[in-house]
Amino acid sequence: QSALTQPRSVSGSPGQSVTISCTGTSSDVGGYNSVSWYQHHPGKAPKVMIFDVTKRPSGVPDRFSGSKSGNTASLTISGLQAEDEADYYCCSYAVTYTSWVFGGGTKVTVL
Amino acid sequence: QVQLQQWGAGLLKPSETLSLTCAVYGGSLSGYYWSWIRQPPGKGLEWIGEINHSGSTNYKSSLKSRLTLSIDTSKNQFSLKLRSVTAADTAVYYCARGRVEGGGYCFGGVCYSGNNFDYWGQGTLVTVSS
Repeated sequence: QSALTQPRSVSGSPGQSVTISCTGTSSDVGGYNSVSWYQHHPGKAPKVMIFDVTKRPSGVPDRFSGSKSGNTASLTISGLQAEDEADYYCCSYAVTYTSWVFGGGTKVTVL
Repeated sequence: QVQLQQWGAGLLKPSETLSLTCAVYGGSLSGYYWSWIRQPPGKGLEWIGEINHSGSTNYKSSLKSRLTLSIDTSKNQFSLKLRSVTAADTAVYYCARGRVEGGGYCFGGVCYSGNNFDYWGQGTLVTVSS
């Protein structure tokens, strides 16, 4: 199971939108609706922002949204805010392998 | 509110055994798989393995020969042991609540896969150095 592919970094000005892609295979991202996204501020525990491709946990702003097409999932942050600056990781559960695979992480910079 | 608190030795020499324990407060071990995830310095997150309350485990294939996960339901704790560590095992290690046992479920007319990490420990930096 190889790591999912994410861009190393994306950036945007406050109020703008950014989209992070996450590419896997039909054995993980493309095969199941078990893609989740995690926000990670240095020194803190990761926090789930999106699960089951599109669902938002209670308390997560609706500025965060998820989608999927084929083997690629995406996280969009609309109305970018300073506190959104963090590392973001996608993750997929691969039922066939009973294992999890993460993406390499994307650093979001708010200009 | 579920909380995970983890502890263990932070400095090891090569060939020693890494041991970490994670205690779960505010919830039961039953019904979920409990995972360990690590982040080497400057790198991304890496899933290591998971265990359920019955002791059923799944390990990352590349670590299988060195890894043992265990669970103590009487203490509401689960643990990780990684043998013969090297510098490549230097990382921040996290415990986390993972997938729901038995697969997906539906609630309030919405169906969920139950496959995500919703609660995390605070992280433990483990450094392997001679």
